[in-house]
Formats: sequence, structure tokens, C-alpha cells
Amino acid sequence: QSALTQPASVSGSPGQSITISCTGTSSDVGGYGYVSWYQHHPGKAPKRLIYDVGNRPSGVSDRFSGSKSGNTASLTISGLQGEDEADYYCGSYSSASTPYVFGSGTKVTVL
Amino acid sequence: QVQLVQSGTEVKKPGASVKVSCKASGYTFIHYGITWVRQAPGQGLEWMGWISAYNGNTNYAQKLQDRVTMTTDTSTSTAYMELRSLRSDDTAMYYCARDLIAVARSPDVWGQGTTVTV
Repeated sequence: QSALTQPASVSGSPGQSITISCTGTSSDVGGYGYVSWYQHHPGKAPKRLIYDVGNRPSGVSDRFSGSKSGNTASLTISGLQGEDEADYYCGSYSSASTPYVFGSGTKVTVL
Repeated sequence: QVQLVQSGTEVKKPGASVKVSCKASGYTFIHYGITWVRQAPGQGLEWMGWISAYNGNTNYAQKLQDRVTMTTDTSTSTAYMELRSLRSDDTAMYYCARDLIAVARSPDVWGQGTTVTV
């Protein structure tokens, strides 16, 4: 079972908006509304930003938003800030033999 | 506040076993599950498995199911992950995270991580 496909890197200038894609199949991203997004700063524990495609936990900035179309989910970061520089992972419930799968990860760089 | 505190760094020889603990506080342990995730050096996150703290039901990643066992001790609100027959490619940071009671779906609060070197 392969990881969900994410771009290796995305960059943007402060204040800009960027979007990270997460492509799976009908057995995971496309088949269920259970996509989450995580922010991971090296050496720290991952932080959940989005759950169930587009829901934001309390305490997470509204600059982060999630959506899904078909087999591809997306995370948009608006008003990019230096502190947003981190690795980002999507994750999805899956009906395959392994019931949860992460994306390959995207490194976000703030120029 | 909700917190997961993991055990310390482990160094093991190939073929040995390791058991990592994850002590929960700030919530009712048996109302949730625990997911385990690892990250090898320079690699992405890898889902290892999930256990319900309510009834002990488990679900493991297919590639690990022959070598991994996840358990809980509800008397101490602690989850455990044991990995056997360790190989060099098991060298990684291991994380526990709180998840749903009945299914692995969206781990929310994460532990600080445990470094395992083989």
C-alpha cells in the first residue's frame, strides 16, 4: 500500500497563499471524508491542523483550510508566515489492508 | 491539559525487541484509542497501528503485523508498543497519538516521540 502523493516542496513569500495537494485513490481519499492534515516541525511532535477534510480544531489558525475533490485533498495556507515553514503531511482512513495511510510529505519554505 | 508522555531513548541490537510506553493524562483513557506512528531518518510518517483503550481491539499495518504488538494498561492509562526482531531499518522516531475509540481515523494529540536506534 503506497503513501498518498504530495509534492515534495512548495514555497511562497510572506503574506501569500499556497496550496498543498494530496492524491490518493477511491479506497482512501476519494472514498471517505476522513482526511487530516498535520504540521511537523523537525524535532517536535506533529500537530493536527485539519480533520475530516475541512474541519479545524479549536486553537488552530483560520489561515489553514482544507478541501477535497475526487481523489485529491488540498490544504491551503493563507497569509503565509515564517513560522509556517515546516513539513506537512496528509493522512486518510483507508479500506485497504492497512487502514490508515499518510502522504509522502511536503516541505514548505517561506521565501 | 491532554498530554501523552513517552518513554526514553532506546538503543538495541539487531534481532532484539523494544517496548515503548506512552502514558496519557488529562482525559479519560478508555474513551479513546492510541495510534502509533514512526518516522525513519529523512523519511515521512509511517502509520504502524492502532489500539482501542476501551476494549483492546487492534489494527496493525500489514507490513508490521508479524512483529508488532500494541497493548494498554487501563489502571495506569498507559499504552505500549512492542516491536520484535529489530532490523536496522526500524531505526526511527516513534510517536504515540490519541485517536478515536473505535477506529483509527484522525490522531489529534501526539507524544513527544521516542528515538529507537538499531
